[in-house]
Amino acid sequence: AQTVTQSQPEMSVQEAETVTLSCTYDTSESDYYLFWYKQPPSRQMILVIRQEAYKQQNATENRFSVNFQKAAKSFSLKISDSQLGDAAMYFCAYRSAGDRSSRLTFGEGTQLTVNP
Amino acid sequence: NAGVTQTPKFRVLKTGQSMTLLCAQDMNHEYMYWYRQDPGMGLRLIHYSVGEGTTAKGEVPDGYNVSRLKKQNFLLGLESAAPSQTSVYFCASSRSRTSTAGGFFGPGTRLTVL
Repeated sequence: AQTVTQSQPEMSVQEAETVTLSCTYDTSESDYYLFWYKQPPSRQMILVIRQEAYKQQNATENRFSVNFQKAAKSFSLKISDSQLGDAAMYFCAYRSAGDRSSRLTFGEGTQLTVNP
Repeated sequence: NAGVTQTPKFRVLKTGQSMTLLCAQDMNHEYMYWYRQDPGMGLRLIHYSVGEGTTAKGEVPDGYNVSRLKKQNFLLGLESAAPSQTSVYFCASSRSRTSTAGGFFGPGTRLTVL
């Protein structure tokens, strides 16, 4: 079974600075998808960015980018120019391309605080 | 489009009571899921459905039942609630297995079992 690990329960960053959230995963598959979700205090799960394993280029969405290291099974999220609205719980998630259920497997989450 | 909606948003139960959580999606998605979120454990899959009339167990199915009688609805039932089922419950949907999207989530239901 696949597992996803986020080793940083809490992180903090100064407004306008850059922060990197870590995620590692364990799988024997070669074709899969990785995601970062943001969960603000409203509880709504918001997709931040996704990466397809067969694409070597790291995904980027505005201030959010990932460092995808397939061999190391690492998938970190970099937030540049942090804003107060970035404060939230962040979840890393894995989805197998071959799993009939297309289920997501989540990490434990990292609570990000943005200091003004 | 309302996306994925969940009813109710909050509920308090006493041990042994039963209840049903309703999830509805208006995106004609084939796949639907129920997750629970607990502190320090992320989201864990309870049950899922890959199409109308189908259901399957996820990672933590004990104490829950589900039904998918209509494509747009996915019901999660607790027959005899226990304090261990105090959690936030999320419904999600996905268009198909080949979709590259991670899934669309509802707003969550906070359930407290006393």
